[in-house]
Amino acid sequence: GNSVTQMEGPVTLSEEAFLTINCTYTATGYPSLFWYVQYPGEGLQLLLKATKADDKGSNKGFEATYRKETTSFHLEKGSVQVSDSAVYFCARAYNNAGNMLTFGGGTRLMVKP
Amino acid sequence: DTAVSQTPKYLVTQMGNDKSIKCEQNLGHDTMYWYKQDSKKFLKIMFSYNNKELIINETVPNRFSPKSPDKAHLNLHINSLELGDSAVYFCASSRTGSGTEAFFGQGTRLTVV
Repeated sequence: GNSVTQMEGPVTLSEEAFLTINCTYTATGYPSLFWYVQYPGEGLQLLLKATKADDKGSNKGFEATYRKETTSFHLEKGSVQVSDSAVYFCARAYNNAGNMLTFGGGTRLMVKP
Repeated sequence: DTAVSQTPKYLVTQMGNDKSIKCEQNLGHDTMYWYKQDSKKFLKIMFSYNNKELIINETVPNRFSPKSPDKAHLNLHINSLELGDSAVYFCASSRTGSGTEAFFGQGTRLTVV
């Protein structure tokens, strides 16, 4: 089947802590992979993406590497801030399916001062 | 200028009613989408549409139908609303092509009473 699995939250961290949110996907073909972020009361915003194996997406201090061998796309940040508190969604898209996104269940991150 | 805008932002209605949610994008994209986010934040694709092809998630009841008067608009019509339809509905758009990111609207919170 086609699915994306990410770690359940909530994840609670202190400011400046290291963040990892795990994401794995089922591998049928070569999907594009994304991380989206949803701040409270808002829609989703693209955080970063990778379109082929070994690509690294990065933005605002966040990074994720497309690992074909482990079918993973884990999100990392070296030092989180209170403003990073949000829900993070891992997603995958197939061009031959109208570029529709299949999302993981979302991981809520709470960063405390 | 808002890239993807949806109206209304909130919609409260009674069971059995028919309602529409409007979506417009000013990005010049040729593919638009509707997603449903349930109370647990889980996101699921409902439709993908461009001027050539409508792709429907097979789990979507036929009470839901997308209507596209032109490339910049994809409205969502829902007939005979049920309690289980209560959710946040997100419109999105993207260019056609592998790896292109989707831009999301702010969401419409639908409450069926």
